[in-house]
Amino acid sequence: KQEVTQIPAALSVPEGENLVLNCSFTDSAIYNLQWFRQDPGKGLTSLLLIQSSQREQTSGRLNASLDKSSGRSTLYIAASQPGDSATYLCAVDYSGGYQKVTFGTGTKLQVIP
Amino acid sequence: DTAVSQTPKYLVTQMGNDKSIKCEQNLGHDTMYWYKQDSKKFLKIMFSYNNKELIINETVPNRFSPKSPDKAHLNLHINSLELGDSAVYFCATRGQETQYFGPGTRLLVL
Repeated sequence: KQEVTQIPAALSVPEGENLVLNCSFTDSAIYNLQWFRQDPGKGLTSLLLIQSSQREQTSGRLNASLDKSSGRSTLYIAASQPGDSATYLCAVDYSGGYQKVTFGTGTKLQVIP
Repeated sequence: DTAVSQTPKYLVTQMGNDKSIKCEQNLGHDTMYWYKQDSKKFLKIMFSYNNKELIINETVPNRFSPKSPDKAHLNLHINSLELGDSAVYFCATRGQETQYFGPGTRLLVL
């Protein structure tokens, strides 16, 4: 069974702190892994996408890594800001067309000013 | 301009009714999806639709049916609504490996 787990479920940090969100998956035969952000009452916004052949991707203060052998991905957020407060979801695509995509349950992040 | 839009934003209805949710995209993407997010925020794919090819998640009841009048639209029809259908439904498209989500439709079945 293809399961995706995110720990912790919730995280509260003071502004300016660097933080790491974790995503674990049971089946390493992935096509790609994507990190999303979801604001309350809104849809999902794609942050970073890592292909199975890649080790990491960076965008601004965000860095996502992928270790297929251990079934893990991390999202690193540098110098956190209150505007980073949201729920972060990782999604593992096993098919290449998102027909077999499994989402994690998310980490709810709160950055305290 | 909103890339992926959904209507209505909120939908409250009685058990047994039939309802539709509309999705429109202006991105020119060929592939569209419907997702369901339950009360625990767990997101699960329901359908993917590409060039008239429909791929259905086998766990989705046949009361749910997607309909695509044209490339820019993928509507979701739900027959005989049940309490357990209450959730947030998201439409999404796919372009260049990335998915683009609509704002969601919050369905409450009473």
